[in-house]
Amino acid sequence: DIQMTQSPSSLSASVGDRVTITCRASQSISGSLNWYQHKPGKGPKFLIYGISNLQTGVPSRFSGSGSGTEFALTITDLQPEDFATYYCQQSYGIPTFGGGTKVEIK
Amino acid sequence: QVQLQESGPGLVKPSETLSLTCIVSGGSINNYYWSWVRQPAGKELEWLGRIYPTGSTNYNPSLESRVSLSLDTSRNQFSLKVMSVTAADTAIYYCARESRPGGYYRVFDTWGQGTLVTVSS
Repeated sequence: DIQMTQSPSSLSASVGDRVTITCRASQSISGSLNWYQHKPGKGPKFLIYGISNLQTGVPSRFSGSGSGTEFALTITDLQPEDFATYYCQQSYGIPTFGGGTKVEIK
Repeated sequence: QVQLQESGPGLVKPSETLSLTCIVSGGSINNYYWSWVRQPAGKELEWLGRIYPTGSTNYNPSLESRVSLSLDTSRNQFSLKVMSVTAADTAIYYCARESRPGGYYRVFDTWGQGTLVTVSS
């Protein structure tokens, strides 16, 4: 299986901050990298596909970047509704997810 | 707007079979892949398998011997069975739809809210 390693596992930030979450794949995944936002009691919400393509309706303060095996999710101007756990996921092989990054209020 | 809702027992005894159903509303079950994903407390999301309306399936090799998926197009629902469960199968189970936005990359674009299944005697 392709292993996905996210960092940090958690971070504290304030409204208006810029935060970056990184995700590393154990092998090349040909751009098949997706990001999800997860809040307690709900299913994950799909944000970004193919490294950097925003799902319809996702605010432009979310952006994805990277190539090869190194990827990042950046949230600029953090809003109250953005405090959640974020997961990367590769769809190149058997789907696998990163361990998650919990974004908490400072 | 397609919505997914998991249903099934919240408590299963060790060595028995866990059975869950996902009801698809607001859209057709046809023309998409449908998956199950689970998350044990404090652990990573784990994909279990997917099924297409033709009956074609793919399973996670780590669980393939114990997992079975089925789909009923007439009822617009699909189901999961995990056999010979142990405490390690205790998790929140999610059903999800797979699509290919842009025509290439696969994503889980719609999820149910999840259902907690506890394996305990």
